[in-house]
Amino acid sequence: KNQVEQSPQSLIILEGKNCTLQCNYTVSPFSNLRWYKQDTGRGPVSLTIMTFSENTKSNGRYTATLDADTKQSSLHITASQLSDSASYICVVSAYTGGFKTIFGAGTRLFVKA
Amino acid sequence: NAGVTQTPKFQVLKTGQSMTLQCAQDMNHNSMYWYRQDPGMGLRLIYYSASEGTTDKGEVPNGYNVSRLNKREFSLRLESAAPSQTSVYFCASSERTSERTDTQYFGPGTRLTVL
Repeated sequence: KNQVEQSPQSLIILEGKNCTLQCNYTVSPFSNLRWYKQDTGRGPVSLTIMTFSENTKSNGRYTATLDADTKQSSLHITASQLSDSASYICVVSAYTGGFKTIFGAGTRLFVKA
Repeated sequence: NAGVTQTPKFQVLKTGQSMTLQCAQDMNHNSMYWYRQDPGMGLRLIYYSASEGTTDKGEVPNGYNVSRLNKREFSLRLESAAPSQTSVYFCASSERTSERTDTQYFGPGTRLTVL
């Protein structure tokens, strides 16, 4: 069964600290993996996208990594800011001639002053 | 550019009532999608339209219908609302769903409560 599992479910960190969010997937055949940021009351916004041949992608203070062999990805946030408080969603797509995208349930990050 | 817009932002219905959620995008995207988001679960695809004139079922289509009115607009209709359809509904669009690096752009959501 195609699944995307994220951990932890929620996380509290102090402003200025780093953190890493995890994503494990069983989606096959793998096409790409995205990380989205969703602020409370808003729609998700894309942060990074990686295909099979890419193992790291950065967007400012956000760095995503991908290990296609172990089917794991991580999102590392450096020097966190209060505005980083949001849900972070891992999304994995398969393409077999048809469209198939599986969303993880997200990790809820709280950054405290 | 407004991106993806959705109306209404909030809606309360009684069981059995019908309503249509509207979505429009101004990015000239070919593909459009409707998702629902429930607490503790990932977004689930209800219907999508890979291109103007086509629609396909997603993971959870029962109780919903869609219309791709033109390239810009994609509406979602609940014919007889049920409490299980209480959720937050997101519309999204992308350039072309068949592209490997296709990225979806989401609207702000519609919060629907069915009593």
